[in-house]
Amino acid sequence: DADVTQTPRNRITKTGKRIMLECSQTKGHDRMYWYRQDPGLGLRLIYYSFDVKDINKGEISDGYSVSRQAQAKFSLSLESAIPNQTALYFCATSDAGGDFYEQYFGPGTRLTVT
Amino acid sequence: AQSVTQLDSQVPVFEEAPVELRCNYSSSVSVYLFWYVQYPNQGLQLLLKYLSGSTLVKGINGFEAEFNKSQTSFHLRKPSVHISDTAEYFCAVSRGLTGGGNKLTFGTGTQLKVEL
Repeated sequence: DADVTQTPRNRITKTGKRIMLECSQTKGHDRMYWYRQDPGLGLRLIYYSFDVKDINKGEISDGYSVSRQAQAKFSLSLESAIPNQTALYFCATSDAGGDFYEQYFGPGTRLTVT
Repeated sequence: AQSVTQLDSQVPVFEEAPVELRCNYSSSVSVYLFWYVQYPNQGLQLLLKYLSGSTLVKGINGFEAEFNKSQTSFHLRKPSVHISDTAEYFCAVSRGLTGGGNKLTFGTGTQLKVEL
């Protein structure tokens, strides 16, 4: 079984709809991240969480919110989706100690906003 | 703040030929450097990393990279590529333990296409 899972894997939604992307991990890591990937732009950090009570904005947090429901779960919400939020979204995790610098990525969620 | 520049968006190469994917970074502090690979329809996985010590680092699948502090570069190389190396490769930088933990800043990616 995959260590980092994302649901859904694909989603098409309409402008103005609220949508939630979910991430779960079985690695026991404290740190979790949400990125979006756009062609030619690489990956950009949306939000990150170093533990359940610590949530921080990344470089492109506008229009997004997150919830860290438990150590293993980190959800990303688009309160009112817009077409330029069409992208591939990745969740990642890392350990707080030891190999903290290595991030482990989920398979991604492809979101299309029409 | 740090930044990463990947100079080539696409690199076509024939199978069994050598390849170099270029990465330059800028930072006012010491950094950790990484290469990640993304195979089609998959998430990213770590290929190799430089934290300290030897400037030549070896990773999985026969890849290696050399950290050059004076040129602020971390180019990825493989002496002989295989068709299965076709993927997108991302260079990334982290400030490490100080000021922000292990947030990664990624380059824009280089698509390596290996042809027969």
